[in-house]
Amino acid sequence: DAKTTQPNSMESNEEEPVHLPCNHSTISGTDYIHWYRQLPSQGPEYVIHGLTSNVNNRMASLAIAEDRKSSTLILHRATLRDAAVYYCILRGVIAGGTSYGKLTFGQGTILTVHP
Amino acid sequence: ETGVTQTPRHLVMGMTNKKSLKCEQHLGHNAMYWYKQSAKKPLELMFVYNFKEQTENNSVPSRFSPECPNSSHLFLHLHTLQPEDSALYLCASSQPGTIFEQYFGPGTRLTVT
Repeated sequence: DAKTTQPNSMESNEEEPVHLPCNHSTISGTDYIHWYRQLPSQGPEYVIHGLTSNVNNRMASLAIAEDRKSSTLILHRATLRDAAVYYCILRGVIAGGTSYGKLTFGQGTILTVHP
Repeated sequence: ETGVTQTPRHLVMGMTNKKSLKCEQHLGHNAMYWYKQSAKKPLELMFVYNFKEQTENNSVPSRFSPECPNSSHLFLHLHTLQPEDSALYLCASSQPGTIFEQYFGPGTRLTVT
């Protein structure tokens, strides 16, 4: 599986935007970029995913570099509830176009949000 | 609530005990997963089931035995565990396809004494 590199930790203040970077220089053309987060004492939860174009949803935005070797998860206004470990994951597609979705988690980025 | 429930939430067992972890999903998914999360380590995929068939065993010791009787239920049977098996065991489900997301349960915190 292609690897991702994320900073171990980041800090933010409440109500400010947060940009969480991820490097994936060995990404292949069919790898999707997924972001999950894990709040304290909970299982991970899906945040967003993309392939080539930038993506927005109610939780966050995903900005993907033109060469796809890096991406940035953007939380537009951080809240205390956004304090979590954020995981950037590459997911490949098995030949034939289908995938049962094997996810390989790294260490992630621990996001601390200050009031 | 993610639609994936796990029981029990906490379990303490001795090394000679036999116990089972249960996972149930109410999302109509056909793929289910067991993950292990040890302290200070990334989540590790253990097993994958698609349409009740095991499609991946990530070199997991035989003292962990999964069972998937139908697409909604997944069990992890435990026997003669070691203290290093103490961890958070997470279950997840998804709908197979090219675009999907995995839904995780809250996990079972297992302590082996």
